[in-house]
Amino acid sequence: ETGVTQTPRHLVMGMTNKKSLKCEQHLGHNAMYWYKQSAKKPLELMFVYNFKEQTENNSVPSRFSPECPNSSHLFLHLHTLQPEDSALYLCASSQPRQGLGGANVLTFGAGSRLTVL
Amino acid sequence: AQSVTQPDIHITVSEGASLELRCNYSYGATPYLFWYVQSPGQGLQLLLKYFSGDTLVQGIKGFEAEFKRSQSSFNLRKPSVHWSDAAEYFCAVGAKEYGNKLVFGAGTILRVKS
Repeated sequence: ETGVTQTPRHLVMGMTNKKSLKCEQHLGHNAMYWYKQSAKKPLELMFVYNFKEQTENNSVPSRFSPECPNSSHLFLHLHTLQPEDSALYLCASSQPRQGLGGANVLTFGAGSRLTVL
Repeated sequence: AQSVTQPDIHITVSEGASLELRCNYSYGATPYLFWYVQSPGQGLQLLLKYFSGDTLVQGIKGFEAEFKRSQSSFNLRKPSVHWSDAAEYFCAVGAKEYGNKLVFGAGTILRVKS
């Protein structure tokens, strides 16, 4: 399998549930990202991991908890979510290119559509 | 602060007609520029990118974009649109000075009528 794979593709959960989103990349990249895509809003960067270390937390509420056990896997643990958290959650990976000034070209997964009831 | 503006939320063009999607950015650094496309139920796919050099860049699926520094624009064009081009298109900007984090525009939804 190649590219960036996200599971599950669809998830419905109640506000008291605990669930997790999974992302796996087979590209040999060293950086992984979580983005939130809500209707009629630009993509919101949530978290960035470089070489398994979190380097960015974009003021995300603590009910979202990321985990990056290795450079190929990224999780987003969900707990006590609100209906406004319903969105498409996109995972991406990149390999910074030092020869081009470090420009990141992101490869995205297909996303996990989350509905919070 | 960095920002990316896609002025058109929706655009409808006839199949075979030419297309131009607008993107303007506000960045206090030399930008890297990207266009991504998203089909329904899918993630974002890279169409093309600009890092440096020739300001007219070619991408996949017959798309091209031109970087105009004086206008802070990076408009996407295609000479003849196909029905399969119907999707949402996102412009994104990054810069080394900002840790290479990408800022995305709100997207333009393209509808193609036959």
